[in-house]
Amino acid sequence: GAGVSQTPSNKVTEKGKYVELRCDPISGHTALYWYRQSLGQGPEFLIYFQGTGAADDSGLPNDRFFAVRPEGSVSTLKIQRTERGDSAVYLCASSSRTGPTDTQYFGPGTRLTVL
Amino acid sequence: DAKTTQPNSMESNEEEPVHLPCNHSTISGTDYIHWYRQLPSQGPEYVIHGLTSNVNNRMASLAIAEDRKSSTLILHRATLRDAAVYYCILRSRSYNTDKLIFGTGTRLQVFP
Repeated sequence: GAGVSQTPSNKVTEKGKYVELRCDPISGHTALYWYRQSLGQGPEFLIYFQGTGAADDSGLPNDRFFAVRPEGSVSTLKIQRTERGDSAVYLCASSSRTGPTDTQYFGPGTRLTVL
Repeated sequence: DAKTTQPNSMESNEEEPVHLPCNHSTISGTDYIHWYRQLPSQGPEYVIHGLTSNVNNRMASLAIAEDRKSSTLILHRATLRDAAVYYCILRSRSYNTDKLIFGTGTRLQVFP
């Protein structure tokens, strides 16, 4: 079956611009996660949705970052006034249930480059 | 959150077994041990998880020490496709900890 998909695969933008990154989770998965991965580091948690609501947004670095999941399926990560330090691979994951034994399925990521 | 410690890198030859260690000396009684791996230019993928007993699946085996302060991911016969970064992650039953907390992992190189 189809896995998690993310678009675009690559995004190059200029400092100060607004960007949107899209995630299509596995059909039927209620939980959706966003992570950010800088070069040479492990992924870092940003935000977690259960259905339409953000259950944990403790990883969002500042108020320039915002994410939505209006219908409980597709999610969009929005970054305002991008900075060069926002350059990273943004990963999305989904799971059919939550808890300490669930499996998160990751997409291939969106590589964001801020010039 | 309980912390894990892994070697930065390991090497193996193709078709040989690989033992990837992970130390988690502050693990609590309800923490599950998960392993994910990340192939080059891909998102992480689940490998295996366990609580107390050793676990086997089609990808790997997980050996958990009796005191649960360490564990070892075992790849029985490494292939070139197993070259990846392997992450050992603890997951708690505590409220609101569904996020995965990744360290820097172990980069496994496999030589033909």
